Amino acid sequence: KNEVEQSPQNLTAQEGEFITINCSYSVGISALHWLQQHPGGGIVSLFMLSSGKKKHGRLIATINIQEKHSSLHITASHPRDSAVYICAAPISSGSARQLTFGSGTQLTVLP
Amino acid sequence: EPEVTQTPSHQVTQMGQEVILRCVPISNHLYFYWYRQILGQKVEFLVSFYNNEISEKSEIFDDQFSVERPDGSNFTLKIRSTKLEDSAMYFCASGRLLATNEKLFFGSGTQLSVL
Repeated sequence: KNEVEQSPQNLTAQEGEFITINCSYSVGISALHWLQQHPGGGIVSLFMLSSGKKKHGRLIATINIQEKHSSLHITASHPRDSAVYICAAPISSGSARQLTFGSGTQLTVLP
Repeated sequence: EPEVTQTPSHQVTQMGQEVILRCVPISNHLYFYWYRQILGQKVEFLVSFYNNEISEKSEIFDDQFSVERPDGSNFTLKIRSTKLEDSAMYFCASGRLLATNEKLFFGSGTQLSVL
């Protein structure tokens, strides 16, 4: 079955901690998205990556195409980073259009 | 940064009624999408739209659903006869290109409640 799996499902951290969220997928893909869903429900695209690593501020995303695995890292975490983080990839049809989403990682950063 | 806007933010309707969810994609984007998220579940792809026609649709997108770009700026999702199980958050998204390395931009969603 074509799936996108995330771990952990829930993560609680203290402010300042380094955070890692993992995503694995079952078939070869050309690119993977990392998204952030705020408590109000809105979705923000953080990264779209097809190889290697991308960095934006305190966020770093990496992908290993051969191992079918991606990670999202947050350095020096802050309570405002508290959100659901979702990875998504076009695996169901191979098309860029039809994304399959992971179940999300609920991150809570405590002050 | 340009935004995808969705209206209304909340919609309550009676079972069997028709609803239209509206989206204004980013102006130079060519590819448009609807996704939905039932409470507590994963986000799911519904449909993609390009050049005034549906490009792909999922099994969820049955005959009760339709999409339209009526005036070159709005992108709408219509549910003809709503069912209880249509209650969900509906997200519109748009992209400039089809390329797999192209970021998608999401709206803030419409929460649909079917009573």
